Amino acid sequence: NAGVTQTPKFQVLKTGQSMTLQCAQDMNHNSMYWYRQDPGMGLRLIYYSASEGTTDKGEVPNGYNVSRLNKREFSLRLESAAPSQTSVYFCASTELGMNTEAFFGQGTRLTVV
Amino acid sequence: DQQVKQNSPSLSVQEGRISILNCDYTNSMFDYFLWYKKYPAEGPTFLISISSIKDKNEDGRFTVFLNKSAKHLSLHIVPSQPGDSAVYFCAASVGGSNYKLTFGKGTLLTVNP
Repeated sequence: NAGVTQTPKFQVLKTGQSMTLQCAQDMNHNSMYWYRQDPGMGLRLIYYSASEGTTDKGEVPNGYNVSRLNKREFSLRLESAAPSQTSVYFCASTELGMNTEAFFGQGTRLTVV
Repeated sequence: DQQVKQNSPSLSVQEGRISILNCDYTNSMFDYFLWYKKYPAEGPTFLISISSIKDKNEDGRFTVFLNKSAKHLSLHIVPSQPGDSAVYFCAASVGGSNYKLTFGKGTLLTVNP
């Protein structure tokens, strides 16, 4: 049982480049999330998808777009990467809402130079 | 404005003793609280949660206490084990099946053999 799988695990981008972070879960969960974690900070919600076909902004959505491709997959896109987007990105999924146990992926360490 | 505060960046305890991790919150609308544990290079994993209608929840070696009047919660680990060494995040949410979790900055727990 893989749980939540994120790709890639590491990425270095130049300022202005674009990329998509992929996330897939195999637990048949309804809700999926993208968080970022910066040094000395807690996790901050970027976007979430409460259910297939819906997406909503979280606390720090600027500079990002998301796509809930199907029930399993939720991708995060950086259209024009900036150094301020250097961070570790975590995808998570829950059966319904964050008051149920969330399962996180291993994270993507992104550096924008 | 940080709504969930973990004022101790780090804590060191001896194996077999009690570990007490503290968390304060400012938003009186929070009604559900969770603790997540995170090892280096891994995603967070759910540990324990508590609803605001309770003041204590226990799961094996882990107990969470909630003091609503003081807007304070604590996680007790008894007895502490070296494998408990990790970053512990306190998180809180408003409402029923809420999708937005507010995390604290985390406390690094080190359990010495």
